[in-house]
Amino acid sequence: GAGVSQSPSNKVTEKGKDVELRCDPISGHTALYWYRQSLGQGLEFLIYFQGNSAPDKSGLPSDRFSAERTGGSVSTLTIQRTQQEDSAVYLCASSKETLYNSPLHFGNGTRLTVT
Amino acid sequence: GDSVTQMEGPVTLSEEACLTINCTYTATGYPSLFWYVQYPGEGLQLLLKATKADDKGSNKGFEATYRKETTSFHLEKGSVQVSDSAVYFCALSDLSSSNTGKLIFGQGTTLQVKP
Repeated sequence: GAGVSQSPSNKVTEKGKDVELRCDPISGHTALYWYRQSLGQGLEFLIYFQGNSAPDKSGLPSDRFSAERTGGSVSTLTIQRTQQEDSAVYLCASSKETLYNSPLHFGNGTRLTVT
Repeated sequence: GDSVTQMEGPVTLSEEACLTINCTYTATGYPSLFWYVQYPGEGLQLLLKATKADDKGSNKGFEATYRKETTSFHLEKGSVQVSDSAVYFCALSDLSSSNTGKLIFGQGTTLQVKP
């Protein structure tokens, strides 16, 4: 595809349920990022994948959050036992190499609402 | 840790007015600095960047100069248009300290330009 694709675009779930958010990066992009955007807040870094290197998970807010990237392409962000404070827009982005050489390309995000 | 602080919004201007959106940063190393823009209904996209002190990034009539002495990267435009209405995010990437390439964002500033 032409850009970063995220699905679903909207997700409403009950507190305590698990959710999976999907990201299809631009073909050939080796770097993939997940961010979270809460109302009135900036973009909060969650996790970063670069090629075959171990991911940088330093931004994950709790052990309920995990992410994987299969085959260096598609990524899934999983939130277990969702809480109301998890409600936010989850953004995925990809880039060709490092940020010194290429910009981030963002998807339109998944809006998660936990009731 | 590294951080980015932007002026609070929303900023409301009339068409053809001058724009300045302030951005200051804290970093332990020598970061690259970015402005990203999010137009209504669209994903974030890179507006401009500067990779070292005194560099000026420019695009679409917007400019920002990397000022190491004041740790600032203010966004400016001499004459705004209605089509510039968007949310603007200042960001930094400090590979020298984190070695992960992750972008750290400010909280965003909403700009509304009225005809």
